[in-house]
Amino acid sequence: DAMVIQNPRYQVTQFGKPVTLSCSQTLNHNVMYWYQQKSSQAPKLLFHYYDKDFNNEADTPDNFQSRRPNTSFCFLDIRSPGLGDAAMYLCATSRGDMVPTDTQYFGPGTRLTVL
Amino acid sequence: SQQGEEDPQALSIQEGENATMNCSYKTSINNLQWYRQNSGRGLVHLILIRSNEREKHSGRLRVTLDTSKKSSSLLITASRAADTASYFCATFSSGSARQLTFGSGTQLTVLP
Repeated sequence: DAMVIQNPRYQVTQFGKPVTLSCSQTLNHNVMYWYQQKSSQAPKLLFHYYDKDFNNEADTPDNFQSRRPNTSFCFLDIRSPGLGDAAMYLCATSRGDMVPTDTQYFGPGTRLTVL
Repeated sequence: SQQGEEDPQALSIQEGENATMNCSYKTSINNLQWYRQNSGRGLVHLILIRSNEREKHSGRLRVTLDTSKKSSSLLITASRAADTASYFCATFSSGSARQLTFGSGTQLTVLP
């Protein structure tokens, strides 16, 4: 009965080698988010989709891109990973129609290691 | 800077004791939410308190909100080893309807 699924759970890539992380949801939520969380820090929002409407945070590096081909799936592409991109990447969803009381549902995360 | 700051950064207690975590924020809010994160896992929503509420309960959780002081507290009563986790407060960023900003978090360790 998993609701927000992230694959893979652990990803190892080499410096500069593109990598794609995936997220899928069975909740039929309108909004999907990608967060970056470094060790002992709070999650930091990278971007989110409301349906197909893409919203990028001002300080999200250009190295990070996202795709949402349909309601259920969302991808995070890191074009040229640097050592500083090693982190946990969290996907989350929300209904989007209960603002401002919307709550978010998180996946288990993908731990990215950059060698 | 982050919307929410939490203290303490780390808290270690014995099983059965109560744990209190505090969160301060900077701008006006519609509501404040608390999330829990077990080590290496995603976040789980615990409780939401609206700006017109002062206190809310859910099982062993009690949340208070003081909008005049821009602060909130999360109390976990009769703690269990399974409560060991990081706890984050979160608010919607000013001017945004969907972007949650998380506090720095409190790492709670409950010793058996």
